[in-house]
Amino acid sequence: DVKVTQSSRYLVKRTGEKVFLECVQDMDHENMFWYRQDPGLGLRLIYFSYDVKMKEKGDIPEGYSVSREKKERFSLILESASTNQTSMYLCASSLQAARLRFEQFFGPGTRLTVL
Amino acid sequence: AQSVTQLGSHVSVSEGALVLLRCNYSSSVPPYLFWYVQYPNQGLQLLLKYTSAATLVKGINGFEAEFKKSETSFHLTKPSAHMSDAAEYFCAVSRGPYGGATNKLIFGTGTLLAVQP
Repeated sequence: DVKVTQSSRYLVKRTGEKVFLECVQDMDHENMFWYRQDPGLGLRLIYFSYDVKMKEKGDIPEGYSVSREKKERFSLILESASTNQTSMYLCASSLQAARLRFEQFFGPGTRLTVL
Repeated sequence: AQSVTQLGSHVSVSEGALVLLRCNYSSSVPPYLFWYVQYPNQGLQLLLKYTSAATLVKGINGFEAEFKKSETSFHLTKPSAHMSDAAEYFCAVSRGPYGGATNKLIFGTGTLLAVQP
């Protein structure tokens, strides 16, 4: 089974702190994604990576950056956390293969609170 | 541009009753469609997917969905609800065609299903 793990289930940070959210997948997937989930808004794509060191902005990249130095690991960075970044963050991965690339596998999520 | 609309942010059914969760999509290309489920404090899990083969798709836990191109719908159904079905359900559409370059999905805003005893 595909396993996507996220470094923390719950995180509390202060405004202005630099925050790192880590995601690791163990199935050699090329694609990795970071979403944030807010009530009534569903999942919104923050960043996407299709290969090591390659990234694309999603729908809401402002205030975030990402790093993918190894194929299995995709990090989301909040350069200076703000209260409006309090949210649930979900990581996902998928294969590049044509018929499977839309089938995303999700981690358990990190619930981040910024005070 | 692709989009997906889930009608009803909250749906409540009695145990044993039919479950019907609605999803309508908009797509300029033949879409791939997905239903995911999220149990409390967990990530999303794939329920079922439509990838241009059979229009009636069966998934896990007794759920199924029918792709209706004329109605641009992909509603999720289950004949008999169980208490364990209480969760949030998300419909998603692919952002591009099967042969295209994109790998992204667009998610609906979710429907929270409550099952009453």
